Amino acid sequence: QKEVEQDPGPLSVPEGAIVSLNCTYSNSAFQYFMWYRQYSRKGPELLMYTYSSGNKEDGRFTAQVDKSSKYISLFIRDSQPSDSATYLCAMMSDTGGFKTIFGAGTRLFVKA
Amino acid sequence: SAVISQKPSRDICQRGTSLTIQCQVDSQVTMMFWYRQQPGQSLTLIATANQGSEATYESGFVIDKFPISRPNLTFSTLTVSNLSPEDSSIYLCSVDLGGAEAFFGQGTRLTVV
Repeated sequence: QKEVEQDPGPLSVPEGAIVSLNCTYSNSAFQYFMWYRQYSRKGPELLMYTYSSGNKEDGRFTAQVDKSSKYISLFIRDSQPSDSATYLCAMMSDTGGFKTIFGAGTRLFVKA
Repeated sequence: SAVISQKPSRDICQRGTSLTIQCQVDSQVTMMFWYRQQPGQSLTLIATANQGSEATYESGFVIDKFPISRPNLTFSTLTVSNLSPEDSSIYLCSVDLGGAEAFFGQGTRLTVV
């Protein structure tokens, strides 16, 4: 079993839709939960970062962490064609060398 | 934040040859990380490079295949040696500044023919 599971998609939605991206994980020691966005032919860049459980909102983006279920989500409201990218979840614990574990990434297409 | 310049951005190499990828950071950092990104798979950490010491390799990656240099606090190279088609992938360098956020270079797309 992989430490982090993420559906690779692709996920195709119309412009303006609400997008839900999700990851599950197995390591209960993870405390840092990140979402990275990667455009084609570019490196990943950090979109959202949450420590421990709870929600965090930044504009059209909301990150949720449910540690009891080992489940994290990223919601995108009013999706735009410019949101078309691959979204990678990532996690890290406070111990074990602070190594970041990435999901496989979900490819998102937002159609105009 | 950190700005990372990685080159080459892409290359096509013959089997049996080697490719060296360079990564330059705009600030001094303790650790630099090298990742491989294969289609449909997660970013896989190859090794962690510290200045002044040998790189630390993850399980499944060895120094003979992926030699790394770290001559100073702003620069590192990764060489992929004795290339085979299975090495075709995107290779990324990354740094962190002490927090959870990682900063990445643009990646090197390697195709082995």
